[in-house]
Amino acid sequence: EDQVTQSPEALRLQEGESSSLNCSYTVSGLRGLFWYRQDPGKGPEFLFTLYSAGEEKEKERLKATLTKKESFLHITAPKPEDSATYLCAVPPYNTDKLIFGTGTRLQVFP
Amino acid sequence: KAGVTQTPRYLIKTRGQQVTLSCSPISGHRSVSWYQQTPGQGLQFLFEYFSETQRNKGNFPGRFSGRQFSNSRSEMNVSTLELGDSALYLCASSPGATSTDTQYFGPGTRLTVL
Repeated sequence: EDQVTQSPEALRLQEGESSSLNCSYTVSGLRGLFWYRQDPGKGPEFLFTLYSAGEEKEKERLKATLTKKESFLHITAPKPEDSATYLCAVPPYNTDKLIFGTGTRLQVFP
Repeated sequence: KAGVTQTPRYLIKTRGQQVTLSCSPISGHRSVSWYQQTPGQGLQFLFEYFSETQRNKGNFPGRFSGRQFSNSRSEMNVSTLELGDSALYLCASSPGATSTDTQYFGPGTRLTVL
């Protein structure tokens, strides 16, 4: 069964304390993996798309990487404004819908 | 370019009523997808439309339906509301018809069923 699992469920960091979020997936024929950020009461905001193993993308303090089984979202020297829920999603083979993980709720304290 | 807009933003209904939610995609986007988000289940796919045709449907009962108009705007309808339908309903648009196209989300409609 196609599945996306994110860990940890919640993460508390001190400002400046770098860490990584994990997204593991079991889908056949990966065609892409998406990372989104969601603030409370708002819709998800697009961050990155990764298409193949070995690919990396960066945006400010965020860096996303992809292997054949999982993706990591690395957060370097986070700030309180990075506090949000981070979601990853993949499209299963032969369908155009997205399967989302349940997200990692990140809190960064000053 | 304006983002995805959804109306209304908040809605309170009672059990048994029906509700219609509206979504206007980003200009030029032809694909619209709908998702239900709840604390327990996370984001779950409802359906996807492209050029007025429903191309994919998630595992939701027939009370959930939708449509897309020729200008790509979309509506979803939920009939005979149940308490468990309380959720944030999100609409996302993408430029093309493939799953590798990035989906851009609207702010959502918060539905509360009493």
